[in-house]
Amino acid sequence: NAGVTQTPKFQVLKTGQSMTLQCAQDMNHNSMYWYRQDPGMGLRLIYYSASEGTTDKGEVPNGYNVSRLNKREFSLRLESAAPSQTSVYFCASSYGGTIGGELFFGEGSRLTVL
Amino acid sequence: GENVEQHPSTLSVQEGDSAVIKCTYSDSASNYFPWYKQELGKRPQLIIDIRSNVGEKKDQRIAVTLNKTAKHFSLHITETQPEDSAVYFCAGYNTDKLIFGTGTRLQVFP
Repeated sequence: NAGVTQTPKFQVLKTGQSMTLQCAQDMNHNSMYWYRQDPGMGLRLIYYSASEGTTDKGEVPNGYNVSRLNKREFSLRLESAAPSQTSVYFCASSYGGTIGGELFFGEGSRLTVL
Repeated sequence: GENVEQHPSTLSVQEGDSAVIKCTYSDSASNYFPWYKQELGKRPQLIIDIRSNVGEKKDQRIAVTLNKTAKHFSLHITETQPEDSAVYFCAGYNTDKLIFGTGTRLQVFP
């Protein structure tokens, strides 16, 4: 039982390059999330998906796109990376809905944009 | 949308003392308030949560209180131990959207 798996764990990009962070969960959760974590800024919500086929903007969506490929997978894409996107990215999942419930996080992906 | 403010940003206590972290939220429709602990280099993990129909919840040395009228909730850790040293995040939830506070770095000195 892997929980939430995200790849890659580390990535270095040059300004303007694109990349996709992959995330998959095996807990049959409805909701999936992408957060970024910067020192002193906490965990800021980028995008979330309440169910397969739906996505919504969070607090800091600019510069990112997402795809909820199926119930298990939720990817985050940077089309043209900028140094301001250097951060640690966490994918998470939960049962969601009106009840909410525990968020299970992946191990994180450390992205550096030069 | 929801905005969660958290104080203090850093907190240092002597082992055995109590620690209190406070959060306020803006969205009166938020109905679920979890607290997460993040150790250095690790992912956040849930330590306790409270729902809007409950005023207080305890789990051994940790407790959370909620004041819906004031839109305020707090984490209380008693008899702190060095292994409690970590960053703690509060959060507010309203139908699929979970917004975190900016975190409190707790240091417990032996």
